[in-house]
Amino acid sequence: AQSVTQLGSHVSVSEGALVLLRCNYSSSVPPYLFWYVQYPNQGLQLLLKYTTGATLVKGINGFEAEFKKSETSFHLTKPSAHMSDAAEYFCAVTLTGTASKLTFGTGTRLQVTL
Amino acid sequence: DSGVTQTPKHLITATGQRVTLRCSPRSGDLSVYWYQQSLDQGLQFLIQYYNGEERAKGNILERFSAQQFPDLHSELNLSSLELGDSALYFCASSVEGHGAYGYTFGSGTRLTVV
Repeated sequence: AQSVTQLGSHVSVSEGALVLLRCNYSSSVPPYLFWYVQYPNQGLQLLLKYTTGATLVKGINGFEAEFKKSETSFHLTKPSAHMSDAAEYFCAVTLTGTASKLTFGTGTRLQVTL
Repeated sequence: DSGVTQTPKHLITATGQRVTLRCSPRSGDLSVYWYQQSLDQGLQFLIQYYNGEERAKGNILERFSAQQFPDLHSELNLSSLELGDSALYFCASSVEGHGAYGYTFGSGTRLTVV
C-alpha cells in the first residue's frame, strides 16, 4: 500500500519569498508522484508529476519538485511566491507496475502575504 | 476547461431528499473516480469505475451509489441526505484504470443540504 504525508496543513509566506511545501511518501515499489493545486471553488489541477528519469521536475507557474528516494520525499518549491499562488496544494502517489489508484495527502493551504 | 464536465455546479436540497450528480469524463478516458471534499474530512475517495465496471470502493456510505454508463458518463446518487453530506463532490477521470498518468478533475458540484 502507498501513502503520502504532507507536513503542515497551513503555510504562510511573504510575497517574493521562497515557497516550500513538504511531502513524504511511503510505497513498497518505486512510486509515481504528483502535485495538484486547488484554487478556491475550483477542481484540482495537475501542477507536475514524477514518473521516471530526471528527479527534478518542473511544472506550471514556476513550481518544481525534486524526487529524493533516500529521503522518500517529493517537496514542492517555488523561488518567489506571488499572491496568485495562494491555494491548497495536494501531493499524491501511486505505485508503478500496478493497477493502483492515486492516494492523496491531506493538503497544505498556502497563504501569501504582502 | 479540463475536459471533465460535472453538472450541476450547485445544488441545494433538504434533508431526507435524493439527488443525482453527473459526470462526463474527458474524451478517451475510461475510468471515473468520485471524491467528496469537506472542511473537516478533506478529500475522500468514494468510488471508481473503469469502462462500466466498479473497480474500487473507498469511504462511500450505503446511502450513496454510483454507476458508469455505456457512453462512459457516470452518476453519483445520494439519498436520505443529511446535513453532514454538504460538501464539494468531484469527479475525476483517467485513461487507464490506475493513477500512473494522473487524474483530470472536474470543477465539482457543491451540495448544500438544509
